[in-house]
Amino acid sequence: GAGVSQSPSNKVTEKGKDVELRCDPISGHTALYWYRQRLGQGLEFLIYFQGNSAPDKSGLPSDRFSAERTGESVSTLTIQRTQQEDSAVYLCASSLLLRGSRNGYTFGSGTRLTVV
Amino acid sequence: SQKIEQNSEALNIQEGKTATLTCNYTNYSPAYLQWYRQDPGRGPVFLLLIRENEKEKRKERLKVTFDTTLKQSLFHITASQPADSATYLCALTNNAGNMLTFGGGTRLMVKP
Repeated sequence: GAGVSQSPSNKVTEKGKDVELRCDPISGHTALYWYRQRLGQGLEFLIYFQGNSAPDKSGLPSDRFSAERTGESVSTLTIQRTQQEDSAVYLCASSLLLRGSRNGYTFGSGTRLTVV
Repeated sequence: SQKIEQNSEALNIQEGKTATLTCNYTNYSPAYLQWYRQDPGRGPVFLLLIRENEKEKRKERLKVTFDTTLKQSLFHITASQPADSATYLCALTNNAGNMLTFGGGTRLMVKP
């Protein structure tokens, strides 16, 4: 597609439920990243994927968080047993190269997750 | 620990003036530095990238400087317009290039 697409755009869930967030990167972009942004704060790195290499999961805050990516296409971020502190905007970005490119990273509009 | 600092206070300037935003970092040896713009409810949008061996980069009304000795980048918007009002984020990538780390951002308000 023309840009990075994320769905849903908004998600309200009850504490303890599992949620799945989806990211469709730009076609041909080999690198895909997930970030979390709490209200009024900066972006917190969660995980990145590069081609068929093992993902870097060093930013995942707990074992309740996991992510998958099939080849160089769609990625899903799953949060199990959601807690109120998980409320944030979850942003996905993709780029042509692992080291980024002259065009930087392209971000989606994010999924706003609210845990009640 | 690694830290990227941007002024958390909003910067208010008059239309037509030059806005200057600062990004300082510590305990980091970035390969390159990027600046992004973020509007409310939207994801960041890439503006400029500058490499460690470059001192200055320009794009239209934007100018970025990168001083690896001072560990600082300055982001300038000349002839600022109300439409430039947004939050501006700086981000660093290390030599491994496997992570883009963001500062907290500075909100710019350009008043007509």
